[in-house]
Amino acid sequence: SYVLTQPPSVSVAPGQTARITCGGNNIGSKSVHWYQQRPGQAPVLVVYDDSDRPSGIPERFSGSNSGNTATLTISRVEAGDEADYYCQVWDSSSDHVVFGGGTKLTVL
Amino acid sequence: QVQLQESGPGLVKPSETLSLTCTVSGGSISSYYWSWIRQPAGKGLEWIGRIYTSGSTNYNPSLKSRVTMSVDTSKNQVSLKLSSVTAADTAVYYCARDIVVVPVASWFDPWGQGTLVTVSS
Repeated sequence: SYVLTQPPSVSVAPGQTARITCGGNNIGSKSVHWYQQRPGQAPVLVVYDDSDRPSGIPERFSGSNSGNTATLTISRVEAGDEADYYCQVWDSSSDHVVFGGGTKLTVL
Repeated sequence: QVQLQESGPGLVKPSETLSLTCTVSGGSISSYYWSWIRQPAGKGLEWIGRIYTSGSTNYNPSLKSRVTMSVDTSKNQVSLKLSSVTAADTAVYYCARDIVVVPVASWFDPWGQGTLVTVSS
């Protein structure tokens, strides 16, 4: 089955840019979605369809997807961005949802 | 806006069936897909499956033999049953609206707050 690979952790200083990757075989041909999960809370959609933002999500959150890697970019990182981030796709070959293992973003 | 609330027993005995309900408020469940997703403590997200309001379903192959989902449009509810549970099924269970672009995309927005189900005797 399809596998998504994320780094377990990413650290960044406040005000800097965080990039969280999601690797998968030819992931550029799929539609990738990203979720933010703060401690003790339910996940929240922050990017869908590779690069679109739901209403209410700051412009600081952006996404890209090409080749074997999709990337969530968080600009001007704030302390409140500290959370776990998950990528997700629909695997049409097996008709089911696949999540990446998650990346813990630490704001130094 | 649409809000989802999971409910059901917080403790289930091994070998029994876990039963949860997701009640949707602020909008109709009709013409949408609804998914169940779970998360063991300290671990990642696992998709369990989804149901359309017509009753058609897709299940995670790893759980398919034990999962049943249903929908009650009159109550604006979707339900999950997971049979023959073990300690490995202990997790926070979320329901979420599943935005589907057939056949290539599916994403979740919004999510319920989740409910913890512990499997223990």
